[in-house]
Amino acid sequence: GDSVTQMEGPVTLSEEAFLTINCTYTATGYPSLFWYVQYPGEGLQLLLKATKADDKGSNKGFEATYRKETTSFHLEKGSVQVSDSAVYFCALSFQGAQKLVFGQGTRLTINP
Amino acid sequence: DGGITQSPKYLFRKEGQNVTLSCEQNLNHDAMYWYRQDPGQGLRLIYYSQIVNDFQKGDIAEGYSVSREKKESFPLTVTSAQKNPTAFYLCASSSRQGDTGELFFGEGSRLTVL
Repeated sequence: GDSVTQMEGPVTLSEEAFLTINCTYTATGYPSLFWYVQYPGEGLQLLLKATKADDKGSNKGFEATYRKETTSFHLEKGSVQVSDSAVYFCALSFQGAQKLVFGQGTRLTINP
Repeated sequence: DGGITQSPKYLFRKEGQNVTLSCEQNLNHDAMYWYRQDPGQGLRLIYYSQIVNDFQKGDIAEGYSVSREKKESFPLTVTSAQKNPTAFYLCASSSRQGDTGELFFGEGSRLTVL
């Protein structure tokens, strides 16, 4: 079945460091790909998305590129802030399926 | 403001009791979902509903029940048959017209069984 695998956490970085959180997927066909973020004590909110190969999603300084050849959607940010501390989830869905398949989440902590 | 409201935020239950978690949305979305979140396991789908008076089991439906009598409401009952109910429960909704898979989430309900 369809699945999403994220890099193991937790990840701890210093402020202004470069961030990469790896995400790979297994799916039959070409899904849409998403990154969701969960701040402490809250629900999830959409961070960015890409719906076809080579699309780049971006928001709040975060970026991720849909790589069909490597079935990946890695999340990057050039300079992280303390306020970026959260749990990040990679997810996929198919057109018309109305269901999201989530990775296990990666907890990110940014130290000042 | 449009959004999803879950209540209660925290709930304690004794073993053997049923509890119902409320989820209300004013986004005029057709589809609604319940996910369970456990540490290190991501989100797992319990039930979802794409239209009023219809719902489908997700990946971990055993021990749970739902109803969808109104478009705005999708309550989840955690029954005594659920063997390990302590978890964080998230309700979400999406617009079928958008059909992008984007979900809008509530702030969650944390259930603890004593």
